[in-house]
Amino acid sequence: DQQVKQNSPSLSVQEGRISILNCDYTNSMFDYFLWYKKYPAEGPTFLISISSIKDKNEDGRFTVFLNKSAKHLSLHIVPSQPGDSAVYFCAARNFGNEKLTFGTGTRLTIIP
Amino acid sequence: KAGVTQTPRYLIKTRGQQVTLSCSPISGHRSVSWYQQTPGQGLQFLFEYFSETQRNKGNFPGRFSGRQFSNSRSEMNVSTLELGDSALYLCASSSDIAGANVLTFGAGSRLTVL
Repeated sequence: DQQVKQNSPSLSVQEGRISILNCDYTNSMFDYFLWYKKYPAEGPTFLISISSIKDKNEDGRFTVFLNKSAKHLSLHIVPSQPGDSAVYFCAARNFGNEKLTFGTGTRLTIIP
Repeated sequence: KAGVTQTPRYLIKTRGQQVTLSCSPISGHRSVSWYQQTPGQGLQFLFEYFSETQRNKGNFPGRFSGRQFSNSRSEMNVSTLELGDSALYLCASSSDIAGANVLTFGAGSRLTVL
């Protein structure tokens, strides 16, 4: 049972434009959500997170939006840069539990 | 501050063998988690250790085991290897200070089973 879903395996965006990566979850007990970025031959690197008590969190070019009623979150990258080309994983966690449940990832390609 | 260190980075084994992977967490981090990454499956949680005790376990067979030492270093072991065990095994550590913890991952150990 895939509790965290990233339905787009890949996404291509022109440099300078906005990249929007989507994630859906089914477990209403999740209360903390994270985005990780992964380059080949490296481990995932933390990007940005959001608590369930918020609906938006911003960090530079990265903004995460959470819609609890729809059980949906999205990551916006503006403007997109070539170095953003990577696989992006959405992850979720229950309060007080270190275990992360990951989506299957979206490969983002920024076209120069 | 040194990151999470995993050894070995690459290894090749044959079916039926066993393998041990090692993870040194960030200094001061007491929680260590292990994940398996395979194509199309994302990252699957294996187990989490805190203060030498297994605190969480994922849905993997008993062939997958782990342990944590008093210095927080961790090892995972896979016995009787199967072809399907070929994967990238990722270790992550966190400080486990009350509040929202972010896992910091190592570069992984890529296991190929022939």
